[in-house]
Amino acid sequence: KAGVTQTPRYLIKTRGQQVTLSCSPISGHRSVSWYQQTPGQGLQFLFEYFSETQRNKGNFPGRFSGRQFSNSRSEMNVSTLELGDSALYLCASSLGGPSGSHTEAFFGQGTRLTVV
Amino acid sequence: AQSVTQPDIHITVSEGASLELRCNYSYGATPYLFWYVQSPGQGLQLLLKYFSGDTLVQGIKGFEAEFKRSQSSFNLRKPSVHWSDAAEYFCAVGARLDFGNEKLTFGTGTRLTIIP
Repeated sequence: KAGVTQTPRYLIKTRGQQVTLSCSPISGHRSVSWYQQTPGQGLQFLFEYFSETQRNKGNFPGRFSGRQFSNSRSEMNVSTLELGDSALYLCASSLGGPSGSHTEAFFGQGTRLTVV
Repeated sequence: AQSVTQPDIHITVSEGASLELRCNYSYGATPYLFWYVQSPGQGLQLLLKYFSGDTLVQGIKGFEAEFKRSQSSFNLRKPSVHWSDAAEYFCAVGARLDFGNEKLTFGTGTRLTIIP
């Protein structure tokens, strides 16, 4: 079956602009999580969506937002881009278990965002 | 809050030699534990996971890891490395929460170099 698909793979934006990244999870998966990966901060959790609801959120400013559609596809939006937002943004999809449980996460190849 | 420590930033081993990558976690209860591998410019691939039960878990590509509760460790091992194992390895922990739970906390990673 198809894996997690992230589009676009590469993106260059200017400071102050906004950007939208897309993630299509594995068929049947209802949970989508987003992570930011930078050389300085490593892999950091942004947020998780399950059945169109944000279920978990990391410590990022409000400029970072997301949503999930009824087909489980997810988008992440970053407004008023800053140079420090340059990173690899990874999306992970999983079945999404009941409260308190954990299911295996499958990662996409990521979107490399460069802010100039 | 949970945390993960990977004390080795970079490890170099000869092809055919054994490998052990260290991972220590901090969490108040038994966590979910994972090892992921990342090749340059790629997403993360799950090598193995520990949810419960047998503390020695087998993964893909000949990797195994052992959960040691007394040492709060989940070290990754491979008896004989291949040149294709050169990559960055990440240990991650997932907490057991009362609500929806697909959040992973990652260590800073260990870069593995293989020499002929």
